[in-house]
Amino acid sequence: GNSVTQMEGPVTLSEEAFLTINCTYTATGYPSLFWYVQYPGEGLQLLLKATKADDKGSNKGFEATYRKETTSFHLEKGSVQVSDSAVYFCALQSVNTGNQFYFGTGTSLTVIP
Amino acid sequence: DGGITQSPKYLFRKEGQNVTLSCEQNLNHDAMYWYRQDPGQGLRLIYYSQIVNDFQKGDIAEGYSVSREKKESFPLTVTSAQKNPTAFYLCASSMTPLAGGREQFFGPGTRLTVL
Repeated sequence: GNSVTQMEGPVTLSEEAFLTINCTYTATGYPSLFWYVQYPGEGLQLLLKATKADDKGSNKGFEATYRKETTSFHLEKGSVQVSDSAVYFCALQSVNTGNQFYFGTGTSLTVIP
Repeated sequence: DGGITQSPKYLFRKEGQNVTLSCEQNLNHDAMYWYRQDPGQGLRLIYYSQIVNDFQKGDIAEGYSVSREKKESFPLTVTSAQKNPTAFYLCASSMTPLAGGREQFFGPGTRLTVL
């Protein structure tokens, strides 16, 4: 079946630290992969996506590379800011199941000044 | 501005009552979705609709019902049969899901509390 596993949080970093949030997936076929961000009390916003192996998605200093050989899509940012504090969700979209989305459990990030 | 609106933002319900959550989009998207979010868990799919007058059950449809009479609207009713309805409910939409790589756009959510 299809599933997404994210590193458990919460994660606390100092401003300007390097961020990695691990995401691995299980899927049949060739899924599309996404990272969404959720600020407190709000809905999810798309952060970046990749639709095929070796694609790199990037946005607002965040990036993630679609690694088919390791079934991973880790999120990275070189220097986090306080405003990056949020919950981050990794998700996959599977063609084999009508393009439904499968979400990870989310990783909470807090950045302290 | 195009987007998805959900109302109300906060909703309180007494046990045994049905309640309807509104979701409207002006993005001209074909597909719409309802998710439930509980603390420490990911999003779980309740119902989805790929076209007007058609919808399918998701992973946790029991105790919920939907309708899709208009392309723009996809209301969710939480019935008294839903045993633990207190949660954050998110509505989403996307262009036709027939092609991969199409992201879902989310509304701001409705927080339902059963008293």
